[in-house]
Amino acid sequence: DAKTTQPPSMDCAEGRAANLPCNHSTISGNEYVYWYRQIHSQGPQYIIHGLKNNETNEMASLIITEDRKSSTLILPHATLRDTAVYYCIVRGNAGNNRKLIWGLGTSLAVNP
Amino acid sequence: SAVISQKPSRDICQRGTSLTIQCQVDSQVTMMFWYRQQPGQSLTLIATANQGSEATYESGFVIDKFPISRPNLTFSTLTVSNMSPEDSSIYLCSVEARWREDPDTQYFGPGTRLTVL
Repeated sequence: DAKTTQPPSMDCAEGRAANLPCNHSTISGNEYVYWYRQIHSQGPQYIIHGLKNNETNEMASLIITEDRKSSTLILPHATLRDTAVYYCIVRGNAGNNRKLIWGLGTSLAVNP
Repeated sequence: SAVISQKPSRDICQRGTSLTIQCQVDSQVTMMFWYRQQPGQSLTLIATANQGSEATYESGFVIDKFPISRPNLTFSTLTVSNMSPEDSSIYLCSVEARWREDPDTQYFGPGTRLTVL
């Protein structure tokens, strides 16, 4: 089973920030938080990942709480092309813990 | 960055037949993975394919139904054998990349949409 909990759906206005939450209360010290998105049944697209520190790249920012039990993916200026299912995944770096276990994600609708 | 391609992109097949899906990467990778995504569902790992060794299958998936080849570091195939309508899914390959700064991140191909009649 997936080790994360995400809301099934969210809406966001175009041009505004989209903040997608994820709960991972059972995360272990050596497990990373990964975010992917899937646009209309295409292959999943890697977005960002982090361990403890907040991370930012050209696509998004990842904010991880100090206790690491939750995180938020931020799309700073959402566009219509950001409409997708967003998956938050907890993943370790050894053995079976390295596998990506996919939940149902959050379906984000960006509205004009 | 490297490119991952899959062939075919989609197919419609008759029950009882088999389909082989190809995954090509334009850089050498050690680990390749095959996933299935049934309609309205999330991704499920079928197997891990390392070059030079037998594929490792997840619970619920068997080699007779989903034989996998991994002849070199840039290519793999997944065959869906003796198909039934329940095999209608998107099949995805992914690789663990070494061309990015984090070698453990998985990157995905575009997928193969299979419909079995």
